[in-house]
Amino acid sequence: QVQLVQSGAEVKKPGASVKVSCKASGYTFTSFDINWVRQASGQGLEWMGWMNAYSGDTGYEQKFQGRVTMTRNTSIGTAYMELSSLRSEDTAVYYCVRDLSYSSSWKVFDYWGQGTLVTVSS
Amino acid sequence: SYELTQPPSLSVSPGQTASISCSAEKLGHKYVCWYQQKSGQSPVLVIYQDSKRPSGIPERFSGSNSGNTATLTISGTQAMDEADYYCQAWDSGTVFGGGTKLTVL
Repeated sequence: QVQLVQSGAEVKKPGASVKVSCKASGYTFTSFDINWVRQASGQGLEWMGWMNAYSGDTGYEQKFQGRVTMTRNTSIGTAYMELSSLRSEDTAVYYCVRDLSYSSSWKVFDYWGQGTLVTVSS
Repeated sequence: SYELTQPPSLSVSPGQTASISCSAEKLGHKYVCWYQQKSGQSPVLVIYQDSKRPSGIPERFSGSNSGNTATLTISGTQAMDEADYYCQAWDSGTVFGGGTKLTVL
């Protein structure tokens, strides 16, 4: 069965960086894009960007351009999301999600990781 | 920027039909997905490409999309359907609606 298993909770100071991992299993990792979505406590879902797991090509939401980097290691079927220059407003649960669509003009997030809580506090 | 507008909350009685709207300009020209998120859990895809149900999603969940509005309909709503529901579409990037809290009482 398809699973996306994320790394554990992180506590970071303002200005620091965080790198969250997402290990995929149950399917061919390079066949589907991986996206990242975050959710602050009590708030809605916010899309951060996508990564083609085969080529490594990426596309980031403008709000995160220059601060986010999405990478992958195909040999171990793992995607990574690194967010730099952290501020308190970045405190949220971060989800990796698989995109079923094979399209550049629509997305379908069919499997979600369990989420990783990132807390930014001095 | 493109915005998807949902009602913040909706209450229905068990067995009744719940209809959750998602509105934006020319939304009918785009594919819409719907996600269910229960308290403390990751979201789950319940409708994709406007009206398709993933395997394992009950038939009481259905979707439509036309004009400026997409609608998620839950027929015969059950207590287990109480959750937050989010619509999602693509416009130069993925956009989510603000979410609708469905209460079944």
